[in-house]
Amino acid sequence: GDSVTQMEGPVTLSEEAFLTINCTYTATGYPSLFWYVQYPGEGLQLLLKATKADDKGSNKGFEATYRKETTSFHLEKGSVQVSDSAVYFCALSDRGYQKVTFGTGTKLQVIP
Amino acid sequence: KAGVTQTPRYLIKTRGQQVTLSCSPISGHRSVSWYQQTPGQGLQFLFEYFSETQRNKGNFPGRFSGRQFSNSRSEMNVSTLELGDSALYLCASSEDRPANEKLFFGSGTQLSVL
Repeated sequence: GDSVTQMEGPVTLSEEAFLTINCTYTATGYPSLFWYVQYPGEGLQLLLKATKADDKGSNKGFEATYRKETTSFHLEKGSVQVSDSAVYFCALSDRGYQKVTFGTGTKLQVIP
Repeated sequence: KAGVTQTPRYLIKTRGQQVTLSCSPISGHRSVSWYQQTPGQGLQFLFEYFSETQRNKGNFPGRFSGRQFSNSRSEMNVSTLELGDSALYLCASSEDRPANEKLFFGSGTQLSVL
């Protein structure tokens, strides 16, 4: 079945540091890929998405590129802020089975 | 537009009891999906409803059930609660096909089973 693997957290960075959160996936079909973010006490919000190979999703300074050859969708940001502290979830959607599969989430803590 | 609303926000129950959680989707959204979120497992898919019909189901025991009403509001029920059912339960709505669209999540119901 489909699965998503994310790097273990928490990830602790100083403000203005470079961020990478690794995500790899296994899928039988040709999925769309997503990053969702969950701020404390809230539900998940879509951060960015990519629907085909080599697509780059971007939003709020975050970027991720759909790499079919390495089955990866790593999240990056050039300069993190304290307000980016949250839990980040990588996800894939299988349009055939109409199922969205999430990773276990990676907690990011940004310290001033 | 109002967002996805889940009630109650917190619940404390004891083993063996049953519980009902409610989710009101964004106006116009007909699909509601339910997820269980735990620290070790992340988000696990429970089921998805569309136009009052269960369209998809995850790998949870029959103690977990749900339904959807004609106004698209959805409820999920857990019977004979176990300690391991303690989790944050999230619902997400979308206009139609959840795998084709952006999901809008509620803030969740935090269930504690003692």
